[in-house]
Amino acid sequence: NAGVTQTPKFQVLKTGQSMTLQCAQDMNHNSMYWYRQDPGMGLRLIYYSASEGTTDKGEVPNGYNVSRLNKREFSLRLESAAPSQTSVYFCASSGGDGHQPQHFGDGTRLSIL
Amino acid sequence: AQSVTQLGSHVSVSEGALVLLRCNYSSSVPPYLFWYVQYPNQGLQLLLKYTSAATLVKGINGFEAEFKKSETSFHLTKPSAHMSDAAEYFCAVTPFSGGYNKLIFGAGTRLAVHP
Repeated sequence: NAGVTQTPKFQVLKTGQSMTLQCAQDMNHNSMYWYRQDPGMGLRLIYYSASEGTTDKGEVPNGYNVSRLNKREFSLRLESAAPSQTSVYFCASSGGDGHQPQHFGDGTRLSIL
Repeated sequence: AQSVTQLGSHVSVSEGALVLLRCNYSSSVPPYLFWYVQYPNQGLQLLLKYTSAATLVKGINGFEAEFKKSETSFHLTKPSAHMSDAAEYFCAVTPFSGGYNKLIFGAGTRLAVHP
């Protein structure tokens, strides 16, 4: 009964380092999403994957890349971390149709010094 | 462009009092609407969703929300607050159907419940 699993849960990076956040879902969902959460701003979509083999930019894609490795896994990569990317990152998945709710992981708390 | 406005970033109520969290949306087409709750250091959990079947939607933990098209609102209510309701609540909208749903979130309302 895992749902959406994110790793790691916490990470501290130095400016300029690279990092890949991992996400896996076991609900056989077609669509997956990466968000960042910052105080007072709700969740903002970074990238999404409507189905296996496709990815698209969301609201705040700059400085990030994604890979939809297979139907289960969707990773987020920071190539050269910046302090402005300090945030809590959430992965989510959904069945795909508009009325299907998204299911969220517990988040990755990322600090960049 | 679609947007969601949550009035009040912080709401404080007494235990046993009515909870009212406000959400207004803008959408050019009939939307799907969601309320999520986030407890400290956790991800978001679905409270309830509106998908045009009924305007009054009941969710988990005694929460409900009413869709009012004329007011473009989807306010969340609970008749009697419990200490365990203290959390952050997010309203979200998606105007799309089919293929995928890109949620647009409000900024969130942090609910405090005091004895």
